[in-house]
Amino acid sequence: GQNIDQPTEMTATEGAIVQINCTYQTSGFNGLFWYQQHAGEAPTFLSYNVLDGLEEKGRFSSFLSRSKGYSYLLLKELQMKDSASYLCAVRGRSNDYKLSFGAGTTVTVRA
Amino acid sequence: GAVVSQHPSRVICKSGTSVKIECRSLDFQATTMFWYRQFPKQSLMLMATSNEGSKATYEQGVEKDKFLINHASLTLSTLTVTSAHPEDSSFYICSARDSYGESTDTQYFGPGTRLTVL
Repeated sequence: GQNIDQPTEMTATEGAIVQINCTYQTSGFNGLFWYQQHAGEAPTFLSYNVLDGLEEKGRFSSFLSRSKGYSYLLLKELQMKDSASYLCAVRGRSNDYKLSFGAGTTVTVRA
Repeated sequence: GAVVSQHPSRVICKSGTSVKIECRSLDFQATTMFWYRQFPKQSLMLMATSNEGSKATYEQGVEKDKFLINHASLTLSTLTVTSAHPEDSSFYICSARDSYGESTDTQYFGPGTRLTVL
């Protein structure tokens, strides 16, 4: 089966940095995705890691260690609009494109 | 690019009726689309994989006769909730994989459909 864990909630101050961790135990591994989801809306794609290391995209960075089954999403220079749920998703097998999602981490940015 | 639309965005229906939800990839072709449902404060649960020109693949526990999926073209998949009941009330989200783009692994999500069954 697929087991993807991430913290339920995090709170940070505007302008600060927050790191959201995700650990996974899945049947196979073919990539890890991070999505942002505002309440009542669909998820929007943030990042994709398939090899070990850090991927940087503006204020957002994502890191992957396949040997540890671990990833994190780093949000820098936090803005109020970053308050949302952040979903970690893993693509397991290579012969399909199904994603297994974690429960999501709700980030609240305070002034 | 990579825009996915869903229609309707919100629907309220009576118990026992059927509801059809459309998912369209607007600027790319998608041989594979996915249907999810999401209950409040929970994560997305995959219901089925929709394959263009063939039968959908359903996840364990999802009734294929209740949730009918048709993927008739490379840009359109439909989900029909048949004989809907209040427990079917949920947020239904589709996603599509850009089959021929630069990142064929990435799924792009539609805006979701809020279904309320009275």
